Amino acid sequence: DTGVSQNPRHKITKRGQNVTFRCDPISEHNRLYWYRQTLGQGPEFLTYFQNEAQLEKSRLLSDRFSAERPKGSFSTLEIQRTEQGDSAMYLCASSLQTGGSPLHFGNGTRLTVT
Amino acid sequence: LAKTTQPISMDSYEGQEVNITCSHNNIATNDYITWYQQFPSQGPRFIIQGYKTKVTNEVASLFIPADRKSSTLSLPRVSLSDTAVYYCLVGDGVRGYQKVTFGTGTKLQVIP
Repeated sequence: DTGVSQNPRHKITKRGQNVTFRCDPISEHNRLYWYRQTLGQGPEFLTYFQNEAQLEKSRLLSDRFSAERPKGSFSTLEIQRTEQGDSAMYLCASSLQTGGSPLHFGNGTRLTVT
Repeated sequence: LAKTTQPISMDSYEGQEVNITCSHNNIATNDYITWYQQFPSQGPRFIIQGYKTKVTNEVASLFIPADRKSSTLSLPRVSLSDTAVYYCLVGDGVRGYQKVTFGTGTKLQVIP
């Protein structure tokens, strides 16, 4: 068990550019979640997948955001036409679809939009 | 949706036992209670999880009363490295965590 892996750890981009983050969940976990966390706040839910199907998206997820999970393995989160308000830590978590299975988080990707 | 309420911050001296209580009045029958620890620039790290009564592992204990409307995370003999934000989360792996809210957590400061 190597845990949830996220890449890159840090990303600095200019406003208007597109960025893509990657998450590799724990291999046997069929559920994958994306969260966003800003300074001093707890993580906020963005979207989640069960296997390859994206089952729910938060209203926080504007149409500039898109997430995929091809073949139910790794996932990518893309932000198009970034804005300064997108600056945050983007966290990925995974879990099994069983009672009592907790979320396991990666160490996140810190996005800074200049 | 099970909303949780925790103290915003706590201070403790090194070597003391710290108890952080979380209230979750509308916890559902199938919900588990999970606690996470988060250091700056890292993702939340799983500490302990329970459903009822008491659970203990190598780093913490979790006390859950019979009505399950609250829970208490107990950290024995804290050290400076326990300074972090602690989150209480109520949810269920079967239904998923998509509607779970983290809140702002409890910022624990351990003082030498």
